[in-house]
Amino acid sequence: QITLKESGPTLVKPTQTLTLTCTFSGFSLSTGGVGVGWIRQPPGKALEWLALIRWNDDHRYSPSLKSRLTITKDTSKKEVVLTMTNMDPVDTGTYYCAHSWYSSSLDWFDSWGQGTLVTVSS
Amino acid sequence: SYELTQPPSVSVFPGQTASITCSGDNLGNKYAFWYQQKPGQSPVLVIYQHSKRPSGIPERFSGSNSGNTATLTISGTQAMDEADYYCQTLDNSAVVFGGGTKLTVL
Repeated sequence: QITLKESGPTLVKPTQTLTLTCTFSGFSLSTGGVGVGWIRQPPGKALEWLALIRWNDDHRYSPSLKSRLTITKDTSKKEVVLTMTNMDPVDTGTYYCAHSWYSSSLDWFDSWGQGTLVTVSS
Repeated sequence: SYELTQPPSVSVFPGQTASITCSGDNLGNKYAFWYQQKPGQSPVLVIYQHSKRPSGIPERFSGSNSGNTATLTISGTQAMDEADYYCQTLDNSAVVFGGGTKLTVL
């Protein structure tokens, strides 16, 4: 059974850097085709993809946020970390990590964490 | 940047067929994925690679893709299907989500 759980601060101040950790079980990030992605959702709004990292350490970032994002993995600890710099109140929302599959040049998310609400406010 | 357009809302009577569309440039030549999100819950994958259903997803959920439009169809819609639905695709290795459609079961 695949499970993922996000952890990190619930409140950050504007201009600070957000660091979120996704701790997972039930799969290995060294298995071919496997990845972990981050997706966020502002209150009452749509899903927005942020980043993903694949088993082969290939990274992909949202073009609009690429300059602010870094995604890393620790395969042995079963963790994926996302950092987002220069946080702003518009970055407030629920941040999800999700297990992804990569096949035929496609990525999709078949298991999601419960999400963590991050509020950006001074 | 690539955009996927969904109707904000769709309404259906119980037992009827609900169709939720997702439009994007040349979407028919890409793969579409669909997620269901109920209030206060995390999204759930209901359709992948146009028309495949993950294990545990009822047969009443189906997907199709042609031209510039992907369609999620729910046959014999039930009250439990009331949720937000999001389409997703890939464009130049970037994941793109649609704006979401709220399905109301009347």
